[in-house]
This record gives sequence, structure tokens and C-alpha cells, in this order.
Amino acid sequence: DTGVSQDPRHKITKRGQNVTFRCDPISEHNRLYWYRQTLGQGPEFLTYFQNEAQLEKSRLLSDRFSAERPKGSFSTLEIQRTEQGDSAMYLCASSYFGTRGYTFGSGTRLTVV
Amino acid sequence: QKEVEQDPGPLSVPEGAIVSLNCTYSNSAFQYFMWYRQYSRKGPELLMYTYSSGNKEDGRFTAQVDKSSKYISLFIRDSQPSDSATYLCAMRAFQGAQKLVFGQGTRLTINP
Repeated sequence: DTGVSQDPRHKITKRGQNVTFRCDPISEHNRLYWYRQTLGQGPEFLTYFQNEAQLEKSRLLSDRFSAERPKGSFSTLEIQRTEQGDSAMYLCASSYFGTRGYTFGSGTRLTVV
Repeated sequence: QKEVEQDPGPLSVPEGAIVSLNCTYSNSAFQYFMWYRQYSRKGPELLMYTYSSGNKEDGRFTAQVDKSSKYISLFIRDSQPSDSATYLCAMRAFQGAQKLVFGQGTRLTINP
């Protein structure tokens, strides 16, 4: 068990391009979360999966954002038509039902130029 | 007004000092309170988890919750340079709630 893994660690993209991030949670964890963190701020909730079902989405998750967890294991977060305001750290976390806290990955830092 | 307010600092103290970090919140539905530590270029790491009002101690760390005042604190005793990080408070409303609401984070530096 190597913890929550996120790929890539850093992504630089031009405005208007699409990007996709991957998260591999801890293997026995059935819950997976995506958060966004901008510089000098705390993480903000984006969405949450239990197994393969996406159970909650934040209003922050505009229609340019989509997240999937097709087989209840890894998850992807796609941002279409990126904007400069999308520049942030995208954090993935996982947990097991009944446990108290999440385990976060190290994040994917997105820079939109 | 943000649901959770946290002084961003930065806070700089000498090694061995007692550090006090605080958050206030406005949503009286919050019942579960956490403190996370985040090193540069890393994800947050859970330090303390408390339910409702009261104190919880774990080694050099003590978490306090005062629901009547909507105020939570984290105390670090005998602070070490390795404690230098950003400390984030987080909270959620009920056992089944999955969304955590975080404070802004306080950047702490412990000087040798």
C-alpha cells in the first residue's frame, strides 16, 4: 500500500485545452474525493464517489468539469476548455466507510497559461 | 462570510514554544472537527479528529472544541522545526456527511 497516488504531479496547459488527471486510491478504500486548492487557501470540495457512484457534486464543479470512477477503483477528473481561473492544486483523497478521516494524495498542480 | 475562518498567519515562533492555532465557524450544524498538517507540495495529513465539544490529546498535540463559542483550537507543545507546515482546520456536519469544509490554513514556522 503506497497511499493515494495522483498523476501527473504537475500539468501546464494552454487556455482552451482539455486536461485529465488520474487518482489511484488506497486499494481497500471505497470512497474517493476530489478537492481543489488555490494558493493560500484551504481545499474546497468538488465531488465524492462511493464505489463507482458519484453521490455528491459541488456547485464549483461547472459543466466543464467531469469526474468518473468507472470500476470503483481509480478515478479521473477532466477539465474541458481550461481557463486561467482553473489554475490550482487538484487533490484526491480516499477513505473506507466508517473511518474518520481521509488520506490525501500529493495533488496535481495545474497551471493554465 | 466564509463558513470557517482561520488566521492565515504567517506565524513564526522559536523552537520549544507552545503554539496556539485557532478557527471560528458559523455553521452550528458542524459536529466533527479535524486538524490537518500540510507540508509544501504535499497533500494534507490528518493530525487530530474530535467530535463535539471537549479536549483531545495526542502526544504534543491537543485539540479543543468549544461549540458554544463556535471556536476550535490546536495546541502544539515543545514545538520542533519539523512542525513547520501549514495547519488546516476542517469540519463536517454529521457522521454521514462526506464534504469537509476547510479553513484557509495557518502557515507556521518553528525557528531553531
